[in-house]
Amino acid sequence: DVKVTQSSRYLVKRTGEKVFLECVQDMDHENMFWYRQDPGLGLRLIYFSYDVKMKEKGDIPEGYSVSREKKERFSLILESASTNQTSMYLCASSAPGQGTGELFFGEGSRLTVL
Amino acid sequence: DAKTTQPPSMDCAEGRAANLPCNHSTISGNEYVYWYRQIHSQGPQYIIHGLKNNETNEMASLIITEDRKSSTLILPHATLRDTAVYYCIVRVGNQFYFGTGTSLTVIP
Repeated sequence: DVKVTQSSRYLVKRTGEKVFLECVQDMDHENMFWYRQDPGLGLRLIYFSYDVKMKEKGDIPEGYSVSREKKERFSLILESASTNQTSMYLCASSAPGQGTGELFFGEGSRLTVL
Repeated sequence: DAKTTQPPSMDCAEGRAANLPCNHSTISGNEYVYWYRQIHSQGPQYIIHGLKNNETNEMASLIITEDRKSSTLILPHATLRDTAVYYCIVRVGNQFYFGTGTSLTVIP
């Protein structure tokens, strides 16, 4: 059974803390994505990566960074968490190419910043 | 700029067909339309995708207009477990652009 696994379902952090959200996929996918989901705003792309050590900014990269040292792992980093980063974070992966495959999601990580 | 627009909410009677519309008026000729749904507290799950032709699988049917500016996801016999948020997505290369989704409530 194919899987995208996010390290934590629920996290509570304090303002100013450094936060790591980890994502691992077992499908040997080249592409990996981080989205955040907020009520009324749908899913917004933060960063994506189409290969090891490669990354591209999405629509809302400010306040975030990412790391892709291995093909199966894509990490989202909040250098100094703020309350407006309280959100649901979703990791996904896909095979490359137009129309050749779907996007597989993890279960999500709900982050609360106090 | 939103690539897709969807109504924010819809109701459907149990056992009836649910028809969920989506506008993607700026879609280009080689960009696919995908549909996903998200049940509360879970990650979105794939339903179906298509380019030009209508598509059907065990979950749903996808009707794409000839000009490709809009599409409709059809759940032929809605059940209570189909209550979810449904997202219409345009895939541009390796990126997936989500709309804000339609919250479908199936009513007993």
